Amino acid sequence: DTAVSQTPKYLVTQMGNDKSIKCEQNLGHDTMYWYKQDSKKFLKIMFSYNNKELIINETVPNRFSPKSPDKAHLNLHINSLELGDSAVYFCASSLRTSGLSDTQYFGPGTRLTVL
Amino acid sequence: AQTVTQSQPEMSVQEAETVTLSCTYDTSESDYYLFWYKQPPSRQMILVIRQEAYKQQNATENRFSVNFQKAAKSFSLKISDSQLGDAAMYFCAYRSARSTGTASKLTFGTGTRLQVTL
Repeated sequence: DTAVSQTPKYLVTQMGNDKSIKCEQNLGHDTMYWYKQDSKKFLKIMFSYNNKELIINETVPNRFSPKSPDKAHLNLHINSLELGDSAVYFCASSLRTSGLSDTQYFGPGTRLTVL
Repeated sequence: AQTVTQSQPEMSVQEAETVTLSCTYDTSESDYYLFWYKQPPSRQMILVIRQEAYKQQNATENRFSVNFQKAAKSFSLKISDSQLGDAAMYFCAYRSARSTGTASKLTFGTGTRLQVTL
């Protein structure tokens, strides 16, 4: 029944490692997003895909690479993890990219801790 | 670029009382959407209420209502009959109504932590 799911919910890893976070939505939405919430709870957009096409790419280090194998999935791969990457990463989806009906629905978040 | 400001880092309300959370925003656009999201300790982001800028009528959802003042660029959230389950971080968010994909992102405020006391 979960509309937007993320795996894993918690991820603890060492600096320099490469890790991935997976996101899946079963809402039939066309657009998916990645947001980062830092230690001060500030939320900021990172990426957005619409029908597997990248449409938003905010100022994010190129160590972060999103991949959308199909419109129901948007994964986030992070290379060479740094201490500053520690945060909660939220996936979200919306029906389309415009219109009020395209409210964004969020996944449960993945807490990434880099040691 | 749009910005969203929540000037109250923390608020406290007694159970059954009413509390108002403030939000102001800055934009040069005339058409946009505003949202309040709730983030309880479980971390899940939950949509509370939304408002279209072209509508003069303030949105309401059960105990939650907004006071939308377009000229003042203000969008406050009122919670009536507060309950213990209302304790959470509340985020105000802005989204452009432009149809280009890049406009679909949400711009968030820094959040207000709401405590509900007995």
